[in-house]
Amino acid sequence: DVKVTQSSRYLVKRTGEKVFLECVQDMDHENMFWYRQDPGLGLRLIYFSYDVKMKEKGDIPEGYSVSREKKERFSLILESASTNQTSMYLCASSLSSRRGTNNEQFFGPGTRLTVL
Amino acid sequence: KQEVTQIPAALSVPEGENLVLNCSFTDSAIYNLQWFRQDPGKGLTSLLLIQSSQREQTSGRLNASLDKSSGRSTLYIAASQPGDSATYLCAVCTGGSEKLVFGKGTKLTVNP
Repeated sequence: DVKVTQSSRYLVKRTGEKVFLECVQDMDHENMFWYRQDPGLGLRLIYFSYDVKMKEKGDIPEGYSVSREKKERFSLILESASTNQTSMYLCASSLSSRRGTNNEQFFGPGTRLTVL
Repeated sequence: KQEVTQIPAALSVPEGENLVLNCSFTDSAIYNLQWFRQDPGKGLTSLLLIQSSQREQTSGRLNASLDKSSGRSTLYIAASQPGDSATYLCAVCTGGSEKLVFGKGTKLTVNP
């Protein structure tokens, strides 16, 4: 079974702090994704990585950066946390469709971040 | 730009009823369509994935269908149970992209 883990289930930070959210997958997936989920707005893609050190902006990248130094790990960084970044953050991974297989996405349990 | 719509936003049914959840999308050039379940405060669980060349997929009491030409998919749940209560999300992967476009979900409540 594919397993996607996230470093924290709940996190409370103060405005202006630098925040790191970590995601690890154990199935050798090429693709990794960071989403945020807010009531009424649904899931929105923040960043996407299709290979080590490769990244692509999603729909709402402002205020975020990412790092992918190893294939299994994808980090989301809030350089200076703000209250409007309070949200549920979800990580996902999938195989690349270039392999000729389906690129089913598998999700982690989520991190509920509160910025005070 | 691909848009995904799920109607209704919420649905309440008595236990044992068969039900259908709907998903529509605007661009028929999809690679696949995925149905997920989300319990409150949790991540998404993948239920079914239908490739663009397929018409339906089944898993247990769940059956998902795909009609690409009309831009529609349905998720059929047979003999619903209280444990089926959750939010169900539909997402499409457009051809040439690895990314999913999500609907906002249907919140299902199955009453005992």
